[in-house]
Amino acid sequence: GENVEQHPSTLSVQEGDSAVIKCTYSDSASNYFPWYKQELGKRPQLIIDIRSNVGEKKDQRIAVTLNKTAKHFSLHITETQPEDSAVYFCAASNTGNQFYFGTGTSLTVIP
Amino acid sequence: GAVVSQHPSRVICKSGTSVKIECRSLDFQATTMFWYRQFPKQSLMLMATSNEGSKATYEQGVEKDKFLINHASLTLSTLTVTSAHPEDSSFYICSAREPGRLPEAFFGQGTRLTVV
Repeated sequence: GENVEQHPSTLSVQEGDSAVIKCTYSDSASNYFPWYKQELGKRPQLIIDIRSNVGEKKDQRIAVTLNKTAKHFSLHITETQPEDSAVYFCAASNTGNQFYFGTGTSLTVIP
Repeated sequence: GAVVSQHPSRVICKSGTSVKIECRSLDFQATTMFWYRQFPKQSLMLMATSNEGSKATYEQGVEKDKFLINHASLTLSTLTVTSAHPEDSSFYICSAREPGRLPEAFFGQGTRLTVV
């Protein structure tokens, strides 16, 4: 099955700085890569996703890049704000099939 | 649209009893639903894939006789934790994909199970 690794496990940044979280995956058949933000005790919230036919996608302060050859993808958050503090998960999926999640990154934005 | 509702949100049960968790797709039909378990400060671990009208597919290491999954209709999947033990205490989350909005997945709000 798919194996998704995520780094770092914890990340602290000053407000206004950028945060980068990286994931690798193992199954070359995976073609959909979402990123989720999860607050304690709540369901994961989709913040951005990318499909395998695209190399980069941006939505305001959030961007995701994908290198399909190297099997890695990254989340970039610019101009971080305290409300960005949460746990972030990457995931990989083959359309129509199950998701496999990374191990999570606890992001703290220091005011 | 694409709402997944999970019930109950919290449950406390005694060791040895069974607990049923429901996952419903409210405004779409889901032939497949997924069940995850999340321990504190850990990731969502896929437990099983629930298939409407057929047996669930379990991930390696998940006991199918302990975690019974029933997907009796296109809008409802249930997870029953049988003979629960304290180590089964966890956050259980279901998800489903709406055929018209692939490949995005939609998650239930989760169930916090505490076994005492």
